[in-house]
Amino acid sequence: AQSVTQLDSQVPVFEEAPVELRCNYSSSVSVYLFWYVQYPNQGLQLLLKYLSGSTLVKGINGFEAEFNKSQTSFHLRKPSVHISDTAEYFCAVSSSYTGTASKLTFGTGTRLQVTL
Amino acid sequence: DGGITQSPKYLFRKEGQNVTLSCEQNLNHDAMYWYRQDPGQGLRLIYYSQIVNDFQKGDIAEGYSVSREKKESFPLTVTSAQKNPTAFYLCASGTTGIGANTEAFFGQGTRLTVV
Repeated sequence: AQSVTQLDSQVPVFEEAPVELRCNYSSSVSVYLFWYVQYPNQGLQLLLKYLSGSTLVKGINGFEAEFNKSQTSFHLRKPSVHISDTAEYFCAVSSSYTGTASKLTFGTGTRLQVTL
Repeated sequence: DGGITQSPKYLFRKEGQNVTLSCEQNLNHDAMYWYRQDPGQGLRLIYYSQIVNDFQKGDIAEGYSVSREKKESFPLTVTSAQKNPTAFYLCASGTTGIGANTEAFFGQGTRLTVV
């Protein structure tokens, strides 16, 4: 079984400030890791994913995340946020076995609120 | 354009009625998923299917049913047995193999309200 913990339900930040959204996971098997963004009343859009290789992953809209296996973490970061980054962010994990790689277990989400 | 289409976007249902949510994909994906989203609870898996004519229960399948008669379609029926059906429902699809394109693609969701 897998689980994902997003430690912060809400993160307020000023525009142009840096931000980190925290994600920790638990799994007994090897995993893939994902960050998705959701704007109000819309579906989820993939920001970035870690499948293998370099532990620093760069995604869309200037976001990046670092996979830390020893700490079972996959924190999302952006050096300078914009008002348009205001949204809900979800961390997700899947098993890296064939057949289940796209079956995701989600955290409860972090609401990023960017203000002027 | 390739993608996932959910319909309708908004749906109202009277208590005691069954209702079916549509999900169609043209991404040629084998796997399809239904998630339920409630405020503060993230997304929870209802049902999933990895191949036509086969599907498995997820974490919260009670009160829901699905079918997978075609690769492109995975409709979800919310039955009258579902005690608290008001929620945002998201359909997703993805590959079953492992590779650089491993991820889930999501539709725009259906907001179901019981009145």
